Amino acid sequence: DTGVSQDPRHKITKRGQNVTFRCDPISEHNRLYWYRQTLGQGPEFLTYFQNEAQLEKSRLLSDRFSAERPKGSFSTLEIQRTEQGDSAMYLCASSPTAVNSGANVLTFGAGSRLTVL
Amino acid sequence: DAKTTQPNSMESNEEEPVHLPCNHSTISGTDYIHWYRQLPSQGPEYVIHGLTSNVNNRMASLAIAEDRKSSTLILHRATLRDAAVYYCILSGLAGGGADGLTFGKGTHLIIQP
Repeated sequence: DTGVSQDPRHKITKRGQNVTFRCDPISEHNRLYWYRQTLGQGPEFLTYFQNEAQLEKSRLLSDRFSAERPKGSFSTLEIQRTEQGDSAMYLCASSPTAVNSGANVLTFGAGSRLTVL
Repeated sequence: DAKTTQPNSMESNEEEPVHLPCNHSTISGTDYIHWYRQLPSQGPEYVIHGLTSNVNNRMASLAIAEDRKSSTLILHRATLRDAAVYYCILSGLAGGGADGLTFGKGTHLIIQP
């Protein structure tokens, strides 16, 4: 098990371009989360999947953002028409379903750093 | 929503114990207390979690106050590799997904050699 993998690790793009990030969770984990982190801040929740179903989306996830997890395994996060304010680290995490709600332990990937010029 | 309060930064010396405090005065009876840390240029890493009793693992100890309104993460013998941002998080906060996490700004721990 290699943990949670994210690709690419770094992406530089021009304003207005589309970008896509991929996350490969730990294989037996059925829950997958996306977070965004800007400099000096803690990670902010974006969205959450239980298997292939997207069950919750943050208000931070504008209509330019879309996330999928088509087969309940890997996930993609696409940002359309990028803006400079989208520059951030995008983190993916996965977890199994906890026996006790609240005792859930998340395993994070190393993140994908986006720079929008 | 129950929130946590942590000092912005703390400094300690290598090979000495470190006590990282966290206040969570509005914690509910079902909220677990989680600690994660984030090393530079990496994603957050799970450290420890607990509900009511003190907890120990290979990384750290978690001391939970009897009224559960505060907790302390204890690193028994800090090394330079422990320099990171440490987040104290309560489970069950709205907006984090099912059993997801709502992060604050955490405590930036500086370890002096």
